[in-house]
Amino acid sequence: AQSVTQLDSHVSVSEGTPVLLRCNYSSSYSPSLFWYVQHPNKGLQLLLKYTSAATLVKGINGFEAEFKKSETSFHLTKPSAHMSDAAEYFCVVSGFRGNNNDMRFGAGTRLTVKP
Amino acid sequence: SAVISQKPSRDICQRGTSLTIQCQVDSQVTMMFWYRQQPGQSLTLIATANQGSEATYESGFVIDKFPISRPNLTFSTLTVSNMSPEDSSIYLCSGRLGETQYFGPGTRLLVL
Repeated sequence: AQSVTQLDSHVSVSEGTPVLLRCNYSSSYSPSLFWYVQHPNKGLQLLLKYTSAATLVKGINGFEAEFKKSETSFHLTKPSAHMSDAAEYFCVVSGFRGNNNDMRFGAGTRLTVKP
Repeated sequence: SAVISQKPSRDICQRGTSLTIQCQVDSQVTMMFWYRQQPGQSLTLIATANQGSEATYESGFVIDKFPISRPNLTFSTLTVSNMSPEDSSIYLCSGRLGETQYFGPGTRLLVL
């Protein structure tokens, strides 16, 4: 089976504390991995992407993610949450079936940031 | 990068009617896609819009219900035909440039 699993549907943190959004995937191929963010009533914005280069990927707004092939994980982190980080986050994997056009979205994780 | 715009941004439609959504990209993207995002859910791929030929539909989606056109590398339309309340959703256009996929802001559709 080929799938993308976001392990938490909702994560709540306090402003200034670290953020961890978890994503696991299963694929028989070497996938490309992405994190997108969707603010309320806005479009999807690319945060970062992994495409077989460095395993630690830095994105916008202080986010980063580490590709761990042995754990088939691509968790998103940020050292210090800001109120503006409150949004829905999607882990996305492409390259299933060896086809880079085949992108699969995780179910999403809603991040809440408390003052 | 690519900037994608969609029209209309939202609409309220009556059951049984059809709505055509337009998608314009500011770059000549290699691939264009249409997704649906139902309330509170993730994105589901409807189809890949192929330039000058019939779109490639995912399981559960058919051309009669969601006809798609892509006359050139920067423009595509999706029609939601014979709408029912179950079609109420956000419809997103997407374009691929290199290894990255960019998304439009979505069209929020409510069917009464």
